[in-house]
Amino acid sequence: AQSVSQHNHHVILSEAASLELGCNYSYGGTVNLFWYVQYPGQHLQLLLKYFSGDPLVKGIKGFEAEFIKSKFSFNLRKPSVQWSDTAEYFCAVRLSGNTGKLIFGQGTTLQVKP
Amino acid sequence: GAGVSQSPSNKVTEKGKDVELRCDPISGHTALYWYRQSLGQGLEFLIYFQGNSAPDKSGLPSDRFSAERTGGSVSTLTIQRTQQEDSAVYLCASSTRLAGVTDTQYFGPGTRLTVL
Repeated sequence: AQSVSQHNHHVILSEAASLELGCNYSYGGTVNLFWYVQYPGQHLQLLLKYFSGDPLVKGIKGFEAEFIKSKFSFNLRKPSVQWSDTAEYFCAVRLSGNTGKLIFGQGTTLQVKP
Repeated sequence: GAGVSQSPSNKVTEKGKDVELRCDPISGHTALYWYRQSLGQGLEFLIYFQGNSAPDKSGLPSDRFSAERTGGSVSTLTIQRTQQEDSAVYLCASSTRLAGVTDTQYFGPGTRLTVL
């Protein structure tokens, strides 16, 4: 069965540190890839997405992600985190030719210390 | 415009009772999805609607779960004879669909269901 794996369950960083959250998926066909963020007390919001084209995708709030097809990965990065980035981050995959349902990773809780 | 809305925001019920959860998608979004977010299980797909029909119900965990959508808009998720393991946050998402491809899904705030 298709699955999405997020390697880091809980990450603690100080402000200004660099961030990289890993995401790998298991599916050999064409995929669309997403990162969603859930800030404390808020609902899921789209951070960025990859459908096709340039594998380096830029999203909101200075986040970016790189799709590496050969590694089945879509890691999320930010050069310098802020306290306001404290949230839970979810990687999700949508399979081509599918109904559009998303398969989510388990999520990574990011805590940024001021 | 307005986002996806869900009601109620919180629901506490007793084991064995039936509950109904409501989702109002973004106007014009023909695709509607229900997901469940629970501890230990993460975010799981439940059911997908395109218009009023549900071509993918593969995520519904048991026959106690059902959903309908009317007028291509509002959707209701019904859980009959609730069990404690049904406790979770139920999320609704909607998106447009063009040329057979769904676009980005936008999520509502969720309904937190607690079964005592």
